[in-house]
Amino acid sequence: AIRMTQSPSSFSASTGDRVTITCRASQGISSYLAWYQQKPGKAPKLLIYAASTLQSGVPSRFSGSGSGTDFTLTISCLQSEDFATYYCQQYYSYPSTFGQGTKLEIK
Amino acid sequence: EVQLVESGGGLIQPGGSLRLSCAASGFTVSSNYMSWVRQAPGKGLEWVSVIYSGGSTYYADSVKGRFTISRDNSKNTLYLQMNSLRAEDTAVYYCARGNEYFQHWGQGTLVTVSS
Repeated sequence: AIRMTQSPSSFSASTGDRVTITCRASQGISSYLAWYQQKPGKAPKLLIYAASTLQSGVPSRFSGSGSGTDFTLTISCLQSEDFATYYCQQYYSYPSTFGQGTKLEIK
Repeated sequence: EVQLVESGGGLIQPGGSLRLSCAASGFTVSSNYMSWVRQAPGKGLEWVSVIYSGGSTYYADSVKGRFTISRDNSKNTLYLQMNSLRAEDTAVYYCARGNEYFQHWGQGTLVTVSS
């Protein structure tokens, strides 16, 4: 199975900050990558698919980039509702696998 | 509006069986790829199984031979039959619409395997 590694695992930031989360695949996955946001007690929410395509309804402060093995999720100006855990997911091959998550906390 | 509602979770002893249901509305289950994804307490997400619109099914190695995904087209409902349950199967189980990335998710149902 393809291993997905996110960094950092957690970090603190302030409202208004620009933040970047990294996801690395153990082998090339082209652009078959999605990003999700999850808040405590809630189901994950799709933010981005195909590495850089914004899901309908997701604010434009979220953006994704990368291909091959290295990917990033950027939030351009953090809002209070963005403090959550973020997961990347590869769907290049079965089984689909997720990163371990990045918990974004308020500084 | 697309909605997915899971049910059937609960406390079950190791070795026991449980069937989860996922009632869908706003779209037709049989025309879509439908998946189960689980999340152990305090842990990350793990894909479990998928059923294609054509009926093909696939499973994670961790559940292969023990879990069976199916659907009832007349009820527009997805199922996950879980047999020979183990402590490590303890998780919130989500049904999700999609095969690759998951656009819609249910609220999840908690399965606890413990004696």
